[in-house]
This record gives sequence, C-alpha cells and structure tokens, in this order.
Amino acid sequence: TQLLEQSPQFLSIQEGENLTVYCNSSSVFSSLQWYRQEPGEGPVLLVTVVTGGEVKKLKRLTFQFGDARKDSSLHITAAQPGDTGLYLCAGASGTSYGKLTFGQGTILTVHP
Amino acid sequence: DAMVIQNPRYQVTQFGKPVTLSCSQTLNHNVMYWYQQKSSQAPKLLFHYYDKDFNNEADTPDNFQSRRPNTSFCFLDIRSPGLGDAAMYLCATSRDYPKPYEQYFGPGTRLTVT
Repeated sequence: TQLLEQSPQFLSIQEGENLTVYCNSSSVFSSLQWYRQEPGEGPVLLVTVVTGGEVKKLKRLTFQFGDARKDSSLHITAAQPGDTGLYLCAGASGTSYGKLTFGQGTILTVHP
Repeated sequence: DAMVIQNPRYQVTQFGKPVTLSCSQTLNHNVMYWYQQKSSQAPKLLFHYYDKDFNNEADTPDNFQSRRPNTSFCFLDIRSPGLGDAAMYLCATSRDYPKPYEQYFGPGTRLTVT
C-alpha cells in the first residue's frame, strides 16, 4: 500500500509570509497532483508534476517533484487571504490508471 | 466548458431513508469515482467505474452502491443512511490514456442525516 505523508497538517500565517508544504513517500509515483479545496467546494487541480526534478510555477505558487519521484513540495510566496484553503497532494502510481493516493491535507489560513 | 456536475449540492435525508446522489460529466472521461470526505480530511475513495466495470474498495460498506447507466452519468445510492454517513460526497473523473491520469472533481454534495 502506498502512503503519502503530508506536512504540516495546519498552517496559520499572516498575509505576506512565505510557506512550504511537503509530501513524502517511500514509494515512487508516476505523477503527483496538487489540489486546492475551499470550504463547501470540490478540490480544484492546481498542477500535475510528472518528471523527477520538475519545477512548475503558477503565479506565486512553486511546485517541485523530487528527483526520485517520491516527494513533492508546494511553496507559496507572499501568501494572501485568498490562498486560504485545504491543500491536497495526490500521487498516481504507474500501474493503476487514475487511482490516487492522497496526503492527509494541509489546512492553510492566511490572516489579513 | 467541460466539467463535472453534481446534484444536488445539499441533501438532507432522514436516518434510514434511502438517498441518491448524482454526477454527470461533459469531459467524456471513461473513469468515474465516488469519494467520501469528512471535515477537512483527505477524500476517501468508495468505488470507481472503469467504463462499465465497477470496482469497489475493500472497506466500502455494503450500504453504499453505485450505478453508471452511460458514460456521462454516475449515481451514488446510500440504502440506509446512518448519522455517520453525513459527509461531503465528491465525484471525480479521469481518462485512462494517456498519462498523466489527472482527476477532475465536481463541486460535491453535502449530505446531512437527521
């Protein structure tokens, strides 16, 4: 069974601060997806990383996939209250189409 | 825009009264998933359809069943809801080719059991 450890579980910061969320596993993933979920809504796909060492940027968000494709990070620069939400990482194995292994999630609160 | 739609967004049912949640998609994806999510936790996969093939997760209670009459629609039936079944239910879709297998979620249905 693949496991994906996500940390921290809770993050409460002031507007303008930087933060990093981590997802780690002992398993190799063929791809890893990051989602953001607002209260009462479904998760929205932010990015998919596929290649080991890959770095993708989405405005103030930077996503990195580890060289061995076992870990990933999400870095937010100058966080804003609109970044508040539940962030989920989810890994796909190469052998099972579509089924994802989810991290536990990080609840981010950005205070104005 | 291609999307995943869930109806209703909010559903209230009584203890033991059967309820059906619906999902439709315009993405033409051949895989559809149903998840249960409780209070800011990660979604928990209940089952999925790969085309018409139904795949149940080992720990999904028998109380939960699903139907997929065609590619676009999928239903979640809860035969006898208990208080513990109150949760957000999420539908998601993905294609099986090519990689990566990205999942796209609907907005969810919030189920309340009274």
